[in-house]
Amino acid sequence: AQRVTQPEKLLSVFKGAPVELKCNYSYSGSPELFWYVQYSRQRLQLLLRHISRESIKGFTADLNKGETSFHLKKPFAQEEDSAMYYCALKTNAGKSTFGDGTTLTVKP
Amino acid sequence: DAMVIQNPRYQVTQFGKPVTLSCSQTLNHNVMYWYQQKSSQAPKLLFHYYDKDFNNEADTPDNFQSRRPNTSFCFLDIRSPGLGDAAMYLCATSSLGRNTEAFFGQGTRLTVV
Repeated sequence: AQRVTQPEKLLSVFKGAPVELKCNYSYSGSPELFWYVQYSRQRLQLLLRHISRESIKGFTADLNKGETSFHLKKPFAQEEDSAMYYCALKTNAGKSTFGDGTTLTVKP
Repeated sequence: DAMVIQNPRYQVTQFGKPVTLSCSQTLNHNVMYWYQQKSSQAPKLLFHYYDKDFNNEADTPDNFQSRRPNTSFCFLDIRSPGLGDAAMYLCATSSLGRNTEAFFGQGTRLTVV
């Protein structure tokens, strides 16, 4: 069975500081990995997916199959980045498993 | 502009009284999901549809049922809600294919009294 672990429930950084939200997964197949974000009073929405290898709102995430990780990084955090972040793994059968989420707070 | 719409946003039901939550989508996606999310926990998949094919998760209680009468609509029926069923219920859709993301509704917060 697949599993997604986000070890930090809460993460607090100052504006302008680098931030890294950790995500580890276990899955025997070829994983599809995503980061979703939920801003205050908004719906859960996609932030980025591993296949795109893109930077969204300054965030990047690299899939490391050796370490089974998909950590989310941003070099300079902004106050508007404060939100709940979920790492998700989608299996070959199309089912998505979510981590417990990390609440990021960026302090001024 | 909302593409996945859940109604109502807040639902209060009595212990043991059947309740139905609804979800509609304008994306024409083949796949629709229902998740249960309790406070400070990950969204937990209850079941999903590939078109009309229903896929139940092994640990989803029998108390939870679902209907998808057409592509646009999907319903979550809780036959006899218990206090432990109080949660946020999230509907999501996605298209078929690899690396396609899920689009979520705003959720329905269910309270059981």
